[in-house]
Amino acid sequence: QVQLVESGGAVVQPGRSLRLSCTTSGLTFSSHGFHWVRQAPGKGLECVAVIWWDGSNKYYADSVKGRFTVSRDNSMNTLYLQMNSLRAEDTAVYYCARDSATYVLDVWGQGTTVTVSS
Amino acid sequence: QSALTQPASVSGSPGQSITISCTGTSSDVGGYNYVSWYQQYPGKAPKLMIYDVSTRPSGVSDRFSGSKSGNTASLTISGLQAEDEADYYCSSYTTGAGLFGGGTKLTVL
Repeated sequence: QVQLVESGGAVVQPGRSLRLSCTTSGLTFSSHGFHWVRQAPGKGLECVAVIWWDGSNKYYADSVKGRFTVSRDNSMNTLYLQMNSLRAEDTAVYYCARDSATYVLDVWGQGTTVTVSS
Repeated sequence: QSALTQPASVSGSPGQSITISCTGTSSDVGGYNYVSWYQQYPGKAPKLMIYDVSTRPSGVSDRFSGSKSGNTASLTISGLQAEDEADYYCSSYTTGAGLFGGGTKLTVL
């Protein structure tokens, strides 16, 4: 059974950093790209970061470029999202999702909540 | 990176059909056959319903279908059921991070 489990969400002050993790099981992690998608309270979905299967390409939404970094550890079957200089507008549920083809997100985690507040 | 445009809400009665539109540009929806649709219930993770414009993943009801014309993609749900009441999001490949639509709330009357 394919599973993605996010962790690391917390309440943090503006300007601080946080690292999210997405632990996977039941899949060949190194064969897939992954996306981080967030959803602010009462709002829609936003793709914040994409990483290819081999980590050779990474893409970011303009809203997080220069502040967020996506990475992966294929030996640990784990995806990461390093979030620096956090802002109130980064408050959201963050999901990791497997890319099974060209931006086809067929498996999602349950999400982890990040709240940025003083 | 502008979000794709979806109607905020649509509604229909059980048994009817509804269509949700998703408008982008030639750089995303119109430029590639990589449009997906996701269903989301409150407090739950999204679920893939359609990919590559019109392909249904295994296990998704054939009441769900997708199409595209120019820069606009569409999701049609036929034979509406109460369980279809949810939020629906379109998504498209584009160079860079993917794009989502703003979401459409489907109400089954």
